Amino acid sequence: RKEVEQDPGPFNVPEGATVAFNCTYSNSASQSFFWYRQDCRKEPKLLMSVYSSGNEDGRFTAQLNRASQYISLLIRDSKLSDSATYLCAVGGGYQKVTFGTGTKLQVIP
Amino acid sequence: DVKVTQSSRYLVKRTGEKVFLECVQDMDHENMFWYRQDPGLGLRLIYFSYDVKMKEKGDIPEGYSVSREKKERFSLILESASTNQTSMYLCASSFLTSEQSNEQFFGPGTRLTVL
Repeated sequence: RKEVEQDPGPFNVPEGATVAFNCTYSNSASQSFFWYRQDCRKEPKLLMSVYSSGNEDGRFTAQLNRASQYISLLIRDSKLSDSATYLCAVGGGYQKVTFGTGTKLQVIP
Repeated sequence: DVKVTQSSRYLVKRTGEKVFLECVQDMDHENMFWYRQDPGLGLRLIYFSYDVKMKEKGDIPEGYSVSREKKERFSLILESASTNQTSMYLCASSFLTSEQSNEQFFGPGTRLTVL
């Protein structure tokens, strides 16, 4: 089993739709969780960290489910500019994180 | 603004050449990382460093070495480039705090082609 797994997509959604991605991880001792966004031919950039209590930033909500070992990202009211690849990252300690392969989102007019 | 810069955006080398990829960060981060990114395989960690002259192997260190002589600079070396090392190489840096991992800031990447 891969350490961090994501559905590669693509998720094709109309503008204004709500879309959710999940990311599962195998190491139950993981302590840090992140969602990164990567635009085509660009470097990844942090979208948000994921806290145990869940967190929200505008249209984006991230949640952690330790019992089932997954994190989720919910995007409400999708915009064309949300089209990108979303990478989850899980920290297992000692400063390293393991990245998922990414989920591609395409928002359609 | 955190800035991570990489020496080249595009690089073309021949099989067997020695290749140096340089990365510099200006935020006084302790941790620095080298990844390669390939379609379908995602970001894979090659090496990382948490201090000057310190290095740790990542998941795919074979065929690579690194050097960290100064805090702000982390170099990736391909001793004898091979075609299977054609990839996008991304450098990243982060603060060092106890136990937990922190946000990583990435450079723009170097697309290396080995012919």
